[in-house]
Amino acid sequence: DQQVKQNSPSLSVQEGRISILNCDYTNSMFDYFLWYKKYPAEGPTFLISISSIKDKNEDGRFTVFLNKSAKHLSLHIVPSQPGDSAVYFCAARPLGATNKLIFGTGTLLAVQP
Amino acid sequence: GAVVSQHPSWVICKSGTSVKIECRSLDFQATTMFWYRQFPKQSLMLMATSNEGSKATYEQGVEKDKFLINHASLTLSTLTVTSAHPEDSSFYICSAQTGMAGELFFGEGSRLTVL
Repeated sequence: DQQVKQNSPSLSVQEGRISILNCDYTNSMFDYFLWYKKYPAEGPTFLISISSIKDKNEDGRFTVFLNKSAKHLSLHIVPSQPGDSAVYFCAARPLGATNKLIFGTGTLLAVQP
Repeated sequence: GAVVSQHPSWVICKSGTSVKIECRSLDFQATTMFWYRQFPKQSLMLMATSNEGSKATYEQGVEKDKFLINHASLTLSTLTVTSAHPEDSSFYICSAQTGMAGELFFGEGSRLTVL
């Protein structure tokens, strides 16, 4: 049972445009959501997070939106750069389970120059 | 940020042999480390939570006798895949957290191929 889902396995965007990566979850007992970026043969690196009590968090070119009623979060990257090309994982943390993250299946983002 | 290093980064072994993968936190002490497994085009699946000085806590469906985890010090956790089979071939990633509720940092992963 996949509690965290990323339904788009891949996304292609032109440089300078906005990239929107989506993530859906089924468990209401998640209290924290995170986005990680992963290059091939490397471990994930933390990108941005959002608490379940917020609906938006922004850090430079990256913004995460949380819609709790829809159990949906999205990562916006604007403007997209070729160096952003990677696999992006969303992850959710169950309430009370510090750092025991549940990951989505990932979305491969390709930013075309 | 903090650095977590895994060794080896890739390993090829024969079926039936055992393989040990090390996960080290290089510049911080990690009371808790996590081991994940990733199949191609799939998410990172948490295998176990490793606590320094105590037994690891395994996720449902993970064989603790097959995947031996030892967290002997605050900077080192090891995962040993015992009697490896081709179906154990995967990408294994560890992560370590700073402090009790600190940020998670991931190792670079270890690619295991069992022939």
